[in-house]
Amino acid sequence: SAVISQKPSRDICQRGTSLTIQCQVDSQVTMMFWYRQQPGQSLTLIATANQGSEATYESGFVIDKFPISRPNLTFSTLTVSNMSPEDSSIYLCSVESGTWMTEAFFGQGTRLTVV
Amino acid sequence: LAKTTQPISMDSYEGQEVNITCSHNNIATNDYITWYQQFPSQGPRFIIQGYKTKVTNEVASLFIPADRKSSTLSLPRVSLSDTAVYYCLVGGNTGRRALTFGSGTRLQVQP
Repeated sequence: SAVISQKPSRDICQRGTSLTIQCQVDSQVTMMFWYRQQPGQSLTLIATANQGSEATYESGFVIDKFPISRPNLTFSTLTVSNMSPEDSSIYLCSVESGTWMTEAFFGQGTRLTVV
Repeated sequence: LAKTTQPISMDSYEGQEVNITCSHNNIATNDYITWYQQFPSQGPRFIIQGYKTKVTNEVASLFIPADRKSSTLSLPRVSLSDTAVYYCLVGGNTGRRALTFGSGTRLQVQP
């Protein structure tokens, strides 16, 4: 299993500003994933972050809006840039286990409110 | 990626058995079926995974018919703490590594 710590757990931000979310894993992992969960909705993948390479973004998400860093095998950050109220969501970091290919572990999430 | 269809919501009472069925008509040969549980203000948590027939663990059972076009998550004797959203996911162990979540089933357990 993997233990994931996300910071901050929640924040209220002014529109036009940026917020960087940190994700720390207690073990080394190759891939880290960032998801967004809008209020009352399911999870949507934002991007996949591999250490040592640029993140791969899903359709509808761009690097300028959601820059991601992956400096080592246990840490990643997601920045939500130039925020608007539409960015109010829960942002979740995830890693997969080495046992089951589709078993994943998630952080508690960062609840972002943009005012 | 196989698309999944689940009921949007279900209601139950404490002590009852709850069965949540998921349809995945275009499941591929190498796809596994995985269920996740999400409580409010938490990330999803892996519950159970299977490929065919029946899988049981300490939390739930997963029933998969021979054609694998559907699956049923069975929660025995639910309690209030089982109130959560349950997601059925279908995917293989090659190719895309990220998870694709459907709409999920919101289970409400009443006393």
